[in-house]
Amino acid sequence: GQSLEQPSEVTAVEGAIVQINCTYQTSGFYGLSWYQQHDGGAPTFLSYNALDGLEETGRFSSFLSRSDSYGYLLLQELQMKDSASYFCAVHILTGGGNKLTFGTGTQLKVEL
Amino acid sequence: NAGVTQTPKFQVLKTGQSMTLQCAQDMNHNSMYWYRQDPGMGLRLIYYSASEGTTDKGEVPNGYNVSRLNKREFSLRLESAAPSQTSVYFCASSDGGGGGPTDTQYFGPGTRLTVL
Repeated sequence: GQSLEQPSEVTAVEGAIVQINCTYQTSGFYGLSWYQQHDGGAPTFLSYNALDGLEETGRFSSFLSRSDSYGYLLLQELQMKDSASYFCAVHILTGGGNKLTFGTGTQLKVEL
Repeated sequence: NAGVTQTPKFQVLKTGQSMTLQCAQDMNHNSMYWYRQDPGMGLRLIYYSASEGTTDKGEVPNGYNVSRLNKREFSLRLESAAPSQTSVYFCASSDGGGGGPTDTQYFGPGTRLTVL
């Protein structure tokens, strides 16, 4: 089976930098994605890593270390609108196609 | 483009009733998925369809059935609803091209289901 671990909650102040970690155990792994979900909304895609290293998209960056089965999402210059839940998700190759397994999510609270 | 649409947005059922949740996408994606989301549990995959004409079980398929009606539409059926199926249900689609960013999933707005 698959398992993912991420912190349940993180609090930071506006303008700060925050890192949300994700560790995983899975077979058939070929990539790690991050999704954002505001209360009452649908998850939306943020970032994807297939290879080791850092991917940068504006204020958001994501990192992957395949040898450590570890990744993180880095949010810079935090804004109030970044208050949301963030999910890491592992991409898995199966005989029936490709699918994602999601972590339980990290609720980020941005304070003034 | 509407993206992924789901109907209904809200539904209340009594135990034992049946219903079908509808999902459609207009992005010409090959793969479609049904998830449920419970507080503190993240998103759990119920069923998925890698391509038109195929369906496979996910992590929590018991009590559900699916139909991939055509490339656009993927429905989820509860034959005999139970209170444990109270949840928010999300449909998603992806290009499913075999790996990489093409597997980005696009989610619908969700259906909030309560079973009494």
